[in-house]
Amino acid sequence: GENVEQHPSTLSVQEGDSAVIKCTYSDSASNYFPWYKQELGKRPQLIIDIRSNVGEKKDQRIAVTLNKTAKHFSLHITETQPEDSAVYFCAASFHTGTASKLTFGTGTRLQVTL
Amino acid sequence: GAVVSQHPSRVICKSGTSVKIECRSLDFQATTMFWYRQFPKQSLMLMATSNEGSKATYEQGVEKDKFLINHASLTLSTLTVTSAHPEDSSFYICSLGTGGNEQYFGPGTRLTVT
Repeated sequence: GENVEQHPSTLSVQEGDSAVIKCTYSDSASNYFPWYKQELGKRPQLIIDIRSNVGEKKDQRIAVTLNKTAKHFSLHITETQPEDSAVYFCAASFHTGTASKLTFGTGTRLQVTL
Repeated sequence: GAVVSQHPSRVICKSGTSVKIECRSLDFQATTMFWYRQFPKQSLMLMATSNEGSKATYEQGVEKDKFLINHASLTLSTLTVTSAHPEDSSFYICSLGTGGNEQYFGPGTRLTVT
């Protein structure tokens, strides 16, 4: 089955700096890669996703890149703000036309300091 | 996106008792729902895939006789933790699969077994 690794496990940045979180996946058939933000005690919140036919996607301060050959994908947050502090999870799935299972990375705790 | 609710949000039970968690899709026909478990400071781990009108598919290592899943309607899936023990204490989250890539998560249920 799919295995998703995520680094770093913790990340501390100063407000205004950029944050980068990296993930690798094992199953070359995976074709959907979402990123979630989870605050303590809350549900995961989808912040951005990318499909395997796209190399990069951007939404305001958040961007995701995908390298299918290397099976890497990364989350980039620019101009970080204290409210960006949370745990971020990457995930991967193979969509077959019906609902598909997600395999999550181990998570990155991002702390944005003033 | 689809709206998913869970009940209860928190439950405390004594060791040896059973607890039922409900996951409702409020505005979408839930053909497929997923159940996840999340231990403190860990990632979401898929427990099972729940399909309306048929038996759930459990992930490796998840005891089907301990975690009973019922998905008898297009709006409701239930997870019953039978003979709960302290090690079952966790955050249980359901999600709705819409047939596309995205999953819509419920708010989660915090189970504490004393």
